Amino acid sequence: KQEVTQIPAALSVPEGENLVLNCSFTDSAIYNLQWFRQDPGKGLTSLLLIQSSQREQTSGRLNASLDKSSGRSTLYIAASQPGDSATYLCAVRDQAGTALIFGKGTTLSVSS
Amino acid sequence: DGGITQSPKYLFRKEGQNVTLSCEQNLNHDAMYWYRQDPGQGLRLIYYSQIVNDFQKGDIAEGYSVSREKKESFPLTVTSAQKNPTAFYLCASGSYQPQHFGDGTRLSIL
Repeated sequence: KQEVTQIPAALSVPEGENLVLNCSFTDSAIYNLQWFRQDPGKGLTSLLLIQSSQREQTSGRLNASLDKSSGRSTLYIAASQPGDSATYLCAVRDQAGTALIFGKGTTLSVSS
Repeated sequence: DGGITQSPKYLFRKEGQNVTLSCEQNLNHDAMYWYRQDPGQGLRLIYYSQIVNDFQKGDIAEGYSVSREKKESFPLTVTSAQKNPTAFYLCASGSYQPQHFGDGTRLSIL
């Protein structure tokens, strides 16, 4: 059964720092991987989606990479800002295209 | 604007009562999903539907029921058989494309 792990569970950084969030999964037979942001009490906002055939995706200050063979993905946030403070969730979709399987998330706090 | 609407935002359930959470989407997605989120936990799948009039159980379907009579709507009923219903419930749509989420319903016990 697919399992998704996110490390660290929480992270605090000063404004302006570059940072990396990690996601690992146990079964490399995925269809795609998606990174989400969740603000307290809110739903999930999709940040980046990487298809299994891709190595990375970029959106603004965010860059997500995927190494399917090793079961790993990273989310790189450049020049962090207090507005980046949120919980970041990683999720993988299997090749049948059914529901996403989520990690428990990394809660990021960026101080000014 | 296209999106997913969940209602109500907050819901309270009395002992022995069934309650229904609403989820409507105008994204023209075939697939819709219900997830449950508990504090400090990832999302867990309750039910999903890949087409109208068809749905499948997820990992934690016991105590819940759904229907899919229209493409746009996928309501979730939390029955009295669900002994620990207090959680944040999220509805989503989209299968092979990026998945979109509603703003959630927070269910509590009176």
